Amino acid sequence: DVKVTQSSRYLVKRTGEKVFLECVQDMDHENMFWYRQDPGLGLRLIYFSYDVKMKEKGDIPEGYSVSREKKERFSLILESASTNQTSMYLCASSLTLTGQSGYTFGSGTRLTVV
Amino acid sequence: KNEVEQSPQNLTAQEGEFITINCSYSVGISALHWLQQHPGGGIVSLFMLSSGKKKHGRLIATINIQEKHSSLHITASHPRDSAVYICAVEGNYQLIWGAGTKLIIKP
Repeated sequence: DVKVTQSSRYLVKRTGEKVFLECVQDMDHENMFWYRQDPGLGLRLIYFSYDVKMKEKGDIPEGYSVSREKKERFSLILESASTNQTSMYLCASSLTLTGQSGYTFGSGTRLTVV
Repeated sequence: KNEVEQSPQNLTAQEGEFITINCSYSVGISALHWLQQHPGGGIVSLFMLSSGKKKHGRLIATINIQEKHSSLHITASHPRDSAVYICAVEGNYQLIWGAGTKLIIKP
């Protein structure tokens, strides 16, 4: 089974801190995604990556950056955390960009910025 | 108007009832996904559809491409089916997500 592992389930950070959210997948998937999930808004795509060192902005990239130095790892970076970035963050991977093979999600990281 | 609309937003039913969750979309798609999210956050893919019907255990998903509509059915519902069910449509290399339907099955 494909496994997507997010390094933390819960994080509490202070406003202005630099925050790293890590995601690792173990099935050699080309494509990885970062979403945030907020009540009533569903999942919104922040960034995705279709290959090592390749990244594309999603719908809400402002305030975020990403890093994909190795195929298995896709990191989401909050350069200067703000309270409006308090959310559930979900990482996903897929074999194909169009998701024909399905998506596999991590368990999520609930980030609170105080 | 959202491109993907789910109904109902919330659904509470008794154990054993037949459950239907609906998803309507307004864009051209290559596929539609149904996913399940349990309390605690993790999301599991249930189905990916581009036409017709798929069945897995007590879960059935159907799609009508002409009407731009999909339904997720749960037969003989059980409290462990309590979760948020999310519809997502795929087009232009990204997913467009519905807001989810929160299902509670009471014993």
